[in-house]
Amino acid sequence: NAGVTQTPKFRILKIGQSMTLQCTQDMNHNYMYWYRQDPGMGLKLIYYSVGAGITDKGEVPNGYNVSRSTTEDFPLRLELAAPSQTSVYFCASSDRSRGEAFFGQGTRLTVV
Amino acid sequence: QKEVEQNSGPLSVPEGAIASLNCTYSDRGSQSFFWYRQYSGKSPELIMFIYSNGDKEDGRFTAQLNKASQYVSLLIRDSQPSDSATYLCAVKEAAGGSYIPTFGRGTSLIVHP
Repeated sequence: NAGVTQTPKFRILKIGQSMTLQCTQDMNHNYMYWYRQDPGMGLKLIYYSVGAGITDKGEVPNGYNVSRSTTEDFPLRLELAAPSQTSVYFCASSDRSRGEAFFGQGTRLTVV
Repeated sequence: QKEVEQNSGPLSVPEGAIASLNCTYSDRGSQSFFWYRQYSGKSPELIMFIYSNGDKEDGRFTAQLNKASQYVSLLIRDSQPSDSATYLCAVKEAAGGSYIPTFGRGTSLIVHP
């Protein structure tokens, strides 16, 4: 019973590098989300998807891109990493009817 | 813009006491309400959800919802040091609206022995 799986758990990037955070869920959820969480702050929505092929911007989308080619996978792409993107990133998914979100383990990203 | 407000705390209570965590929300169309617990360095995990006005109890946890006042709370009875964590309130609109949950910033709870 894997739930939501994120990789990697930790990553250090240099300024200007790019990377993809992987997220996969095995609960057949339509909705998937990417959040970032800065120290002492709540969860800020970066992007979300309501189904395969459909994505939309959240509160803080600048510097990120996503795709949703399958129901299971929702990768987050960081282009030209900046120190402001140092954060903990959480992927989550939810069922359309119930709405409670299930979270992955998180990725702690540091940009130096 | 939909807002969910929580006192950031920390809320400090002695072991065995009742911890009361509060949350207010701005969107009157909200229909689903969730409480998540997040331990330091870990991901949020759902502990309670409530859809109707009134109280919902699950073990030591009670969620209370008052839609007229746009207020949802979480009571933790017989608080234990293991309850020390940040508690996030989340709110979701009714069917037909956005299914995106909006999170508060969380309240830090410290239960001291």
